[in-house]
Amino acid sequence: QSALTQPRSVSGSPGQSVTISCSGTSNDVGAYASVSWYRQHPGEAPKLIIYAVNKRPSGVPDRFSGSKSGNAASLTISGLQAEDEADYYCCSYTGAYTLVFGGGTKVTVL
Amino acid sequence: QVQLVQSGAEVKKPGASVKVSCKASGYIFSSYAMHWVRQAPGQRLEWMGWIHAGDGNAKYSQNFQGRVTITRDTSASTAYMELSSLRSEDTAVYYCAREPFLEWLLDSWGQGTLVTVSS
Repeated sequence: QSALTQPRSVSGSPGQSVTISCSGTSNDVGAYASVSWYRQHPGEAPKLIIYAVNKRPSGVPDRFSGSKSGNAASLTISGLQAEDEADYYCCSYTGAYTLVFGGGTKVTVL
Repeated sequence: QVQLVQSGAEVKKPGASVKVSCKASGYIFSSYAMHWVRQAPGQRLEWMGWIHAGDGNAKYSQNFQGRVTITRDTSASTAYMELSSLRSEDTAVYYCAREPFLEWLLDSWGQGTLVTVSS
């Protein structure tokens, strides 16, 4: 199973919005509404920020939103803050009870 | 609150095996699945497999088929991941992560266990 495709990096100034894309295939992202996103600060474990394409766990600010169109999903961070500087990973169910992660995107707050 | 506490760092020689544990607390262990994800230094997250803590059924990534075994001990609320035939490329931080069964989201993560493979 190949990794989902994400841009290596994106950047934005505080208060701006950034969008991270996650490209898959008709066998994973395109086939299931089971895309999740994780944020990982250096030296820490990942943290779930979006699940089921566009749902936020309790405690995750509404600045984070997710969407999907065809074989691609995306994560938008609105009102960028310094604490949002981290690595972000998408993840999709691929059928047959397996998961696949994306390559990860480094978000830099300028 | 939900907690996943993993065993400590390991150093292994090429060809050896390693077994990492993940002790769960704060929820009903057997009602959830436990996944294992690894991250080589500076690299992406890589999904390895999962186990249903209730019935013990496990599923593995094809990338690790034959080398990884995930088990659990419900009496100890602990999941285990054993990786065999270690090579230098297996040097990574290994995470366990909880999944509400068949929801395909990882809502709580362990702190990670560094496994170093070196001769």
